[in-house]
Amino acid sequence: KAGVTQTPRYLIKTRGQQVTLSCSPISGHRSVSWYQQTPGQGLQFLFEYFSETQRNKGNFPGRFSGRQFSNSRSEMNVSTLELGDSALYLCASSVGTGLAWVREESAYNEQFFGPGTRLTVL
Amino acid sequence: KNEVEQSPQNLTAQEGEFITINCSYSVGISALHWLQQHPGGGIVSLFMLSSGKKKHGRLIATINIQEKHSSLHITASHPRDSAVYICAVSRRNQGGSEKLVFGKGTKLTVNP
Repeated sequence: KAGVTQTPRYLIKTRGQQVTLSCSPISGHRSVSWYQQTPGQGLQFLFEYFSETQRNKGNFPGRFSGRQFSNSRSEMNVSTLELGDSALYLCASSVGTGLAWVREESAYNEQFFGPGTRLTVL
Repeated sequence: KNEVEQSPQNLTAQEGEFITINCSYSVGISALHWLQQHPGGGIVSLFMLSSGKKKHGRLIATINIQEKHSSLHITASHPRDSAVYICAVSRRNQGGSEKLVFGKGTKLTVNP
């Protein structure tokens, strides 16, 4: 089974531009989460999508947005780029569930990470 | 104070040594994850647990829910274990969605 893929792997943009990153989850996975990793802040949760709906959101400004398509592929968009947006952006997929009673350690919730997109803003 | 604290931040060991990395958290969680990140960025999920102990090869993870503490142990360490080990906790909302909150990571270097 193919793993999580992210495109592009590397990207260089200038301040003020916008960028769109793509994530293709493992086949059969319906949940996609996005994370930002920087040397100063470490890994931070951006948002999670399940069945085309954003279910959870981290503490990031509105310049960060995302969406999920019917085939579970997800995109995230950052508008009006700032220097501080330079980071490794990771997505992770899981089978996912909308059922709160599913055990926490269930395989539904195990996350599989993609290789990341390294974004540099100049 | 971070919700998830790891110690130590950096760890250097000789091949064969027994290694322990600690993680403490201050919030209610649905599960705790141990992740491994190699240079280049790829992250691999090692364990996901909400109670007790799990073992996979030379890796052992334990969690004490009452004390809000988890440990990752590596027995007979090897240079290929050199990586950053990240502790993350799952915060789940009523809709069943998961949000991971991460520690800053422990950089492990195992020398031959």
